[in-house]
Amino acid sequence: KNEVEQSPQNLTAQEGEFITINCSYSVGISALHWLQQHPGGGIVSLFMLSSGKKKHGRLIATINIQEKHSSLHITASHPRDSAVYICAVNNNDMRFGAGTRLTVKP
Amino acid sequence: DAGVTQSPTHLIKTRGQQVTLRCSPISGHKSVSWYQQVLGQGPQFIFQYYEKEERGRGNFPDRFSARQFPNYSSELNVNALLLGDSALYLCASSLVGLAGGLTDTQYFGPGTRLTVL
Repeated sequence: KNEVEQSPQNLTAQEGEFITINCSYSVGISALHWLQQHPGGGIVSLFMLSSGKKKHGRLIATINIQEKHSSLHITASHPRDSAVYICAVNNNDMRFGAGTRLTVKP
Repeated sequence: DAGVTQSPTHLIKTRGQQVTLRCSPISGHKSVSWYQQVLGQGPQFIFQYYEKEERGRGNFPDRFSARQFPNYSSELNVNALLLGDSALYLCASSLVGLAGGLTDTQYFGPGTRLTVL
């Protein structure tokens, strides 16, 4: 079993919808990262968090340390949000989830 | 400021050959990490270097090696290439390292896509 599990694997939404991507992990961590990967491979770090909640524009990330669970929310989704979203945790090294492929249709 | 740069962008090799991938971190960043991403999967941690010393190693065979230079740039070497080494190799830099509870935002390069025939 992967130490970092993401759900769903694939997600298709209509423009404007509220989107939630979930991440559960089974190891102790010092921080959790949400990453965005566009076709072609480039990865952008969206959030790094170790507690609570962070917000950046239409993106919100939350983490519950006790439940070992994090969520990434996208409000008012847009086709340009289409990408693979990856959850990763710091545990001396980085452990990655398999990613959630999001497609937002106009 | 330039972001993390990697070279080459694409590379085709045959089985048994050796390959060297290069990474230049963001100016001021002392930590470089290497990751392998096989198509359709999340990245896997290979190495982390901080201040020119190896601080972490993932579950990869000894065919994989790396080093960090005084200017904090880094090279990843893979010997005796196998078909299964075909992947996107990502480099990321950060101000501090990952090990021992130190955490910092990772800045990723565009990757080197290696194809082994």
